Amino acid sequence: RKEVEQDPGPFNVPEGATVAFNCTYSNSASQSFFWYRQDCRKEPKLLMSVYSSGNEDGRFTAQLNRASQYISLLIRDSKLSDSATYLCVLPQANQAGTALIFGKGTTLSVSS
Amino acid sequence: NAGVTQTPKFRVLKTGQSMTLLCAQDMNHEYMYWYRQDPGMGLRLIHYSVGEGTTAKGEVPDGYNVSRLKKQNFLLGLESAAPSQTSVYFCASRTSNYEQYFGPGTRLTVT
Repeated sequence: RKEVEQDPGPFNVPEGATVAFNCTYSNSASQSFFWYRQDCRKEPKLLMSVYSSGNEDGRFTAQLNRASQYISLLIRDSKLSDSATYLCVLPQANQAGTALIFGKGTTLSVSS
Repeated sequence: NAGVTQTPKFRVLKTGQSMTLLCAQDMNHEYMYWYRQDPGMGLRLIHYSVGEGTTAKGEVPDGYNVSRLKKQNFLLGLESAAPSQTSVYFCASRTSNYEQYFGPGTRLTVT
């Protein structure tokens, strides 16, 4: 299994839809997980941090399944402005957590 | 509080030319990183620093050098640019909880 793996998509959904992305990881000892959002030609921006079983912020929910080694991001009531690439991120296993491993991202396109 | 800033935003170099990319952060973070992002490749770590005066190699360090003389600055140098170094370069710093904050990026084209 790759260190961090994401379905690249694209996920094409209408406004108002609920959509979920999964991210699988290989290091069972990982304690911290992050979702970043990246708009086209812009820098990644931190969306959510997950240090325990999950986190919720408005329409966004991140859930961690340690047994199956995946973390999901659920977006409810999708907006046009949610169109972006979503990156799954974990601290790197072999460097004492000094660097982060980024997934290649899942692309979401929300249409009216 | 500007966060992480990068200069320049755009640059075009000829093969063999040199340049330095500057990254500055005002959040007092110990850890700083340089990444490159290419289509279909995701973010790849070039070099990083765990504190003032320290640097370490990342995944793709060849052709690049770095320096961290001051805590708030992390410089990325290209001594002899090659077309393969055409990319978008992002600098980042992070908190002790691994939350990473990125600069706006530098778009470099080497012809």
